[in-house]
Amino acid sequence: DAKTTQPPSMDCAEGRAANLPCNHSTISGNEYVYWYRQIHSQGPQYIIHGLKNNETNEMASLIITEDRKSSTLILPHATLRDTAVYYCIVRPFFSSGSARQLTFGSGTQLTVLP
Amino acid sequence: NAGVTQTPKFQVLKTGQSMTLQCAQDMNHNSMYWYRQDPGMGLRLIYYSASEGTTDKGEVPNGYNVSRLNKREFSLRLESAAPSQTSVYFCASRETSGRAVFSEQYFGPGTRLTVT
Repeated sequence: DAKTTQPPSMDCAEGRAANLPCNHSTISGNEYVYWYRQIHSQGPQYIIHGLKNNETNEMASLIITEDRKSSTLILPHATLRDTAVYYCIVRPFFSSGSARQLTFGSGTQLTVLP
Repeated sequence: NAGVTQTPKFQVLKTGQSMTLQCAQDMNHNSMYWYRQDPGMGLRLIYYSASEGTTDKGEVPNGYNVSRLNKREFSLRLESAAPSQTSVYFCASRETSGRAVFSEQYFGPGTRLTVT
């Protein structure tokens, strides 16, 4: 699986957009970008995933560069409850029957400030 | 629908003691996973089970054993606990059958284990 690089920490003002970058310069053509987050002392929570097109759901937006070597997770209106460690993970799309696990790195600690 | 549940939430063991961490999911998922997370680090996979009756080693299996008791339950056993096994343990499950090409992993709340 491709390696990812994320800043160790970021701050964001409450109500503003939080933009979390991730570099994955060795990503291959069949690998997707996944984002999970882990609020303190809880289990990780899935946020969003994408291949090459930008994606949006009720939690966040995912912007993937045209060369797919980096991506940005956007939380449009950050709240204090969004304070968490955010993990960017790159791996092949889960094929039917595949139980391959996710590989979590160190992630980015996002702190939303009041 | 409780999702993924884990027991106990907290445990303190002495070196050499044994214990079993329990995990159950009520989502009828085929695959289940055990991770550990040490302070300031990401999750590392200990063991996983692709389906009932099968188990496979992950990144850090030494010192652990697992049992996929049935489709719902996946337990993690420490036969002789060591201080290096002090960690937070997370169980997860995911649907991997049929045409489910993408499915997210659902995580339990974790078990905080201290070995003295």
